[in-house]
Amino acid sequence: NAGVTQTPKFQVLKTGQSMTLQCAQDMNHEYMSWYRQDPGMGLRLIHYSVGAGITDQGEVPNGYNVSRSTTEDFPLRLLSAAPSQTSVYFCASSAVGNEQYFGPGTRLTVT
Amino acid sequence: GDSVTQMEGPVTLSEEAFLTINCTYTATGYPSLFWYVQYPGEGLQLLLKATKADDKGSNKGFEATYRKETTSFHLEKGSVQVSDSAVYFCALSPVPVTTDSWGKLQFGAGTQVVVTP
Repeated sequence: NAGVTQTPKFQVLKTGQSMTLQCAQDMNHEYMSWYRQDPGMGLRLIHYSVGAGITDQGEVPNGYNVSRSTTEDFPLRLLSAAPSQTSVYFCASSAVGNEQYFGPGTRLTVT
Repeated sequence: GDSVTQMEGPVTLSEEAFLTINCTYTATGYPSLFWYVQYPGEGLQLLLKATKADDKGSNKGFEATYRKETTSFHLEKGSVQVSDSAVYFCALSPVPVTTDSWGKLQFGAGTQVVVTP
């Protein structure tokens, strides 16, 4: 039981490049979400999904896309990276009403 | 909208000192309240939670009581250890609890705690 896994751990991008942050969970959780963590701002919700095929926007969705084709996977896509997207990204999953489990994070730097 | 305010850090303590981290919230109704801990280089882990007024959450020597009259959920530990050095986040989950609302945690800014030997 690996819990929530994220890849890569670290990534450096140039402005304008695109990439996908991977997230997977093996707990059969229906709920998955992406947060970004910035100094002094806590974690802010980017996108979330309540099940395969269902996604919605959180507090800061601009510049990010998501899809959920399976229960296990919830990738986050940066279409055209900007320096403002330099952050630490966390994926989380849960069953409704239960504890959220967080992945170890991806540290992204956009130059 | 919903929001969480917690005291700024860093908070620096000596081992065996008493720790308090203040957390207040603004929300409609009675949300569920959480404390998460983030150890260096790791993701967040749930430390404790309370789902209704006057509930006390506790874990690993930490406690927090859901106070609806003061809209607060302060975290306390009577005797901290060096291993408690981490960033602590207060968070709420809005009500009503639905499939859509449950995971939309609203986090405070986080409080870094440094415990020295």
